[in-house]
Amino acid sequence: AQTVTQSQPEMSVQEAETVTLSCTYDTSESDYYLFWYKQPPSRQMILVIRQEAYKQQNATENRFSVNFQKAAKSFSLKISDSQLGDAAMYFCAYRSAYNQGGKLIFGQGTELSVKP
Amino acid sequence: NAGVTQTPKFQVLKTGQSMTLQCAQDMNHNSMYWYRQDPGMGLRLIYYSASEGTTDKGEVPNGYNVSRLNKREFSLRLESAAPSQTSVYFCASSESRASNQPQHFGDGTRLSIL
Repeated sequence: AQTVTQSQPEMSVQEAETVTLSCTYDTSESDYYLFWYKQPPSRQMILVIRQEAYKQQNATENRFSVNFQKAAKSFSLKISDSQLGDAAMYFCAYRSAYNQGGKLIFGQGTELSVKP
Repeated sequence: NAGVTQTPKFQVLKTGQSMTLQCAQDMNHNSMYWYRQDPGMGLRLIYYSASEGTTDKGEVPNGYNVSRLNKREFSLRLESAAPSQTSVYFCASSESRASNQPQHFGDGTRLSIL
């Protein structure tokens, strides 16, 4: 069975600075998808960025980018030029590319605070 | 542009009571999911429906039942609520089972069992 681990329960960053959130996963599969979701206090789950395991190029979405290390089974999220609105809980999630119903396996989450 | 709609948003139950959480999506998605979120544990899958007419257990199915009423609707039922089921429940849907298409989530239901 696959597992996802976020070892940083809390992180803090100064506004306009850069922060990196860590995520590691365990799987024996070769093809899968990885996601970062943001959950602000409103409780909504918002997709931040996604990565396909077969793509070597790291995904980027504006100020958000990932460092995907397939051999190390690591998928960290980098937030550049942090803004107050980035304060939220961030979840890393794994999805198999094989027929397992498309379910997501989530990490425990990292709560990010942004200091003005 | 509703997306995934969950009802109710909040509910308080007494131990032993039953209730059904409703979920509907208007994106013509094939797959639907129920998760629960507890502090320090992330989201855990309760049940899912990969396509209309099928349902499967997830990681924490005990104490719950589900019904995929049609392609749009997927309900979660607590037959005899227990305090351990106090949690925030999320419904989600996605276009297909195994792809890079993300799951879309509802706003959640905060459920307290006294």
